[in-house]
Amino acid sequence: GAVVSQHPSWVICKSGTSVKIECRSLDFQATTMFWYRQFPKQSLMLMATSNEGSKATYEQGVEKDKFLINHASLTLSTLTVTSAHPEDSSFYICSAPLAGGRTDTQYFGPGTRLTVL
Amino acid sequence: GENVEQHPSTLSVQEGDSAVIKCTYSDSASNYFPWYKQELGKRPQLIIDIRSNVGEKKDQRIAVTLNKTAKHFSLHITETQPEDSAVYFCAASIHTGNTGKLIFGQGTTLQVKP
Repeated sequence: GAVVSQHPSWVICKSGTSVKIECRSLDFQATTMFWYRQFPKQSLMLMATSNEGSKATYEQGVEKDKFLINHASLTLSTLTVTSAHPEDSSFYICSAPLAGGRTDTQYFGPGTRLTVL
Repeated sequence: GENVEQHPSTLSVQEGDSAVIKCTYSDSASNYFPWYKQELGKRPQLIIDIRSNVGEKKDQRIAVTLNKTAKHFSLHITETQPEDSAVYFCAASIHTGNTGKLIFGQGTTLQVKP
């Protein structure tokens, strides 16, 4: 089946620093990827849609200058949390639909646990 | 935009009993409705999905029903087992072309007691 990986699986950083999270589709190409944030005991909240070769589309209320998204290839999207603060601590998960296949089915990465001190 | 409501937020059943989780959506253009199971600290796993041209779908102990008129869909798990204990999320998507973003419900914590 389609596999999506994320790196790192967890990261701890100091307040004010930037953190980059990678999302890779390992065995398929993904022209679109999605980034979600999940706080403890809450649902997945869509942050943005990452589009290969073009700008990301952000959901209402998500600061595009704080959460930088780059989708440089058909298998890689990155999310950079800039000037991270403790309130950014969360579980960040990406997903990708299978381009050319059943594109409504999304495959999720394992998530990245971000802790900002 | 789309809004998905999910109930109940917690559900406790005895092993062997059935469990039902219900979701409603707001946008009549939504056409894809997946259900995910998430264990603590792990990624959501797709367990079943249904598209708007189908009213019901079954996969072994799991079934999903869709009522487009009422804009609600439900997950049914029969003969529950302790390993079914997890958080379940419904989602809705307006899928057009090659993509469609998922909007998730609030989640249901299912506990199956042995």
